[in-house]
Amino acid sequence: SAVISQKPSRDICQRGTSLTIQCQVDSQVTMMFWYRQQPGQSLTLIATANQGSEATYESGFVIDKFPISRPNLTFSTLTVSNMSPEDSSIYLCSVNPYDRGDEQYFGPGTRLTVT
Amino acid sequence: SQELEQSPQSLIVQEGKNLTINCTSSKTLYGLYWYKQKYGEGLIFLMMLQKGGEEKSHEKITAKLDEKKQQSSLHITASQPSHAGIYLCGADSSYGKLTFGQGTILTVHP
Repeated sequence: SAVISQKPSRDICQRGTSLTIQCQVDSQVTMMFWYRQQPGQSLTLIATANQGSEATYESGFVIDKFPISRPNLTFSTLTVSNMSPEDSSIYLCSVNPYDRGDEQYFGPGTRLTVT
Repeated sequence: SQELEQSPQSLIVQEGKNLTINCTSSKTLYGLYWYKQKYGEGLIFLMMLQKGGEEKSHEKITAKLDEKKQQSSLHITASQPSHAGIYLCGADSSYGKLTFGQGTILTVHP
């Protein structure tokens, strides 16, 4: 398994500001994934972060809005930029600790409210 | 793109009752994950199925993947209040890239 921590656990932000969310894993992993869960909705993949390369974004998500860093094999950050109330969501990071596609773990999430 | 439909959307049962949640895919499933989520929290990994006809169990929860690999079911035996939460199925399109169903909200009354 993998133990994943996220900071902050929740935050309330004003529109137009930015928030950086941190994700720390207790083991080295090749890929880290960022998901968004909007209120009352299921999860949607934002991007995949590999160490040493630029993140790969899914359709509908862009780097200017959600810049991602991956400085090493245990850590990643997701920034939500120029926030609007529509960005109010739970943001979760996820890893596949064995890189073999049979166990996928999620962090506890960051609950973001934009006012 | 792959779509997953879960049924029912919500379920209310009395403690001790058995229940089943279904997850149907628009395409062949190459990996199907089941998670449980408490309100506003992260996802708890339950199990992952890959082979047609595969069945896995963890405590009182059993998940199956049909032979055609387009439908999975999650069965809880003798439900308890601790089983309450949101159950999500997720299809693996590429390692770590999961597409999720809309979730099934389970309430268990003591």
